[in-house]
Amino acid sequence: NAGVTQTPKFRILKIGQSMTLQCTQDMNHNYMYWYRQDPGMGLKLIYYSVGAGITDKGEVPNGYNVSRSTTEDFPLRLELAAPSQTSVYFCASSHGEHGNTIYFGEGSWLTVV
Amino acid sequence: GQQLNQSPQSMFIQEGEDVSMNCTSSSIFNTWLWYKQDPGEGPVLLIALYKAGELTSNGRLTAQFGITRKDSFLNISASIPSDVGIYFCAITGTASKLTFGTGTRLQVTL
Repeated sequence: NAGVTQTPKFRILKIGQSMTLQCTQDMNHNYMYWYRQDPGMGLKLIYYSVGAGITDKGEVPNGYNVSRSTTEDFPLRLELAAPSQTSVYFCASSHGEHGNTIYFGEGSWLTVV
Repeated sequence: GQQLNQSPQSMFIQEGEDVSMNCTSSSIFNTWLWYKQDPGEGPVLLIALYKAGELTSNGRLTAQFGITRKDSFLNISASIPSDVGIYFCAITGTASKLTFGTGTRLQVTL
């Protein structure tokens, strides 16, 4: 039962470096999301996708890019890492329009120094 | 974006006590969700509410959809140590996009 799988689990980046957080799901879900969670806060939506080839901005998209070439994969790219991007990143996927079918990955802890 | 305010921010309770927390908004919503996040994990859905006034239970958890559709309440009865974590309310928009509340951190002491 893989569900939503994120890699890496932990990463330390230097300011200005680039990296990609990988996310894959094996539930054949059309909808996928990237959220970030800052310490002591709730999750905020970065980007989302309603199907392969379709992506859209969420609440906090600046500094990030995404692509959705397949149903299974939804990578998140940081081009020029900044300290403000230090956060925990969660990928999620959903079967449909109802919020009760959303499944989250275990999170990726990113520190930018 | 939408703002969901949760209270209290944190709670320290003894094992066996009952817990109440709430979530309020200035806007009306058609669905309220309650999630729990364990340390080092992603959020997990506890209860989903779809109708104003609805009261739904899941074991020791009970949640209510406020009659004004601007608030929701979560109660935990007879708390146990594994109830420790952060509880988030959330509302869902188009494409199942979630907006999360500010969270209530629960600590349970023996």
